[in-house]
Amino acid sequence: QTVVTQEPSFSVSPGETVTLTCGLSSGSVSADEYPTWYQQTPGQTPRALIYNTNTRSSGVPDRFSGSILGNKAALTITGAQAEDDSDYYCALYMGYVNWVFGGGTKLTVL
Amino acid sequence: QVTLRESGPALVNPTQTLTLTCTFSGLSLTTGGVCVNWVRQPPGKALEWLAFIDWDDNKSYSPSLRTRLTISKDTSKNQVVLIMTDMDPVDTATYFCARNMMTTGAFDIWGQGTMVTVSS
Repeated sequence: QTVVTQEPSFSVSPGETVTLTCGLSSGSVSADEYPTWYQQTPGQTPRALIYNTNTRSSGVPDRFSGSILGNKAALTITGAQAEDDSDYYCALYMGYVNWVFGGGTKLTVL
Repeated sequence: QVTLRESGPALVNPTQTLTLTCTFSGLSLTTGGVCVNWVRQPPGKALEWLAFIDWDDNKSYSPSLRTRLTISKDTSKNQVVLIMTDMDPVDTATYFCARNMMTTGAFDIWGQGTMVTVSS
């Protein structure tokens, strides 16, 4: 069974840059898995930030960017802000049609 | 404006069958490229993708839950229905429906979710 791995938690100070990653328990992540990133604040529905590895959804600030770093997908927040304090989930497309979410990263900005 | 709204029972007994309905507006499941998915989230835990249906009535399910899930659509009512059999307390979660487009893949519009508790 495919397991998508993410850092359970991360802490960053306002204005700093942070990179969250999304990997596979076995194998590498590439653009073929169409990495997608979601942001979810407590009690809210998820919001799509990045799709197809590095395309920002409409209205998403440009401090959010996506990439492939080594064998993982990555979400970078350049100049984190207090409102970025959220849970972040990546999702990988593991074939037709099978989306697998990671366990999520709780990002604390303080 | 595209909206989706989930509905269904808040409480289900173990072994029972759960039926959830996603009612949407501002989109048509007869338009090419339009897809609706179900995703769930147990309290305090991660998102889990469950099932997919597209404009052409293609369907797909999470491999781990395939035997328990059935997804269908009623385009005249603008609804997608998810049936999950043999419910267990571990299935306690908020169940979301979400739209995605084949062109982007991202679940870009979500319903507010409906909380389902499995307990006797």
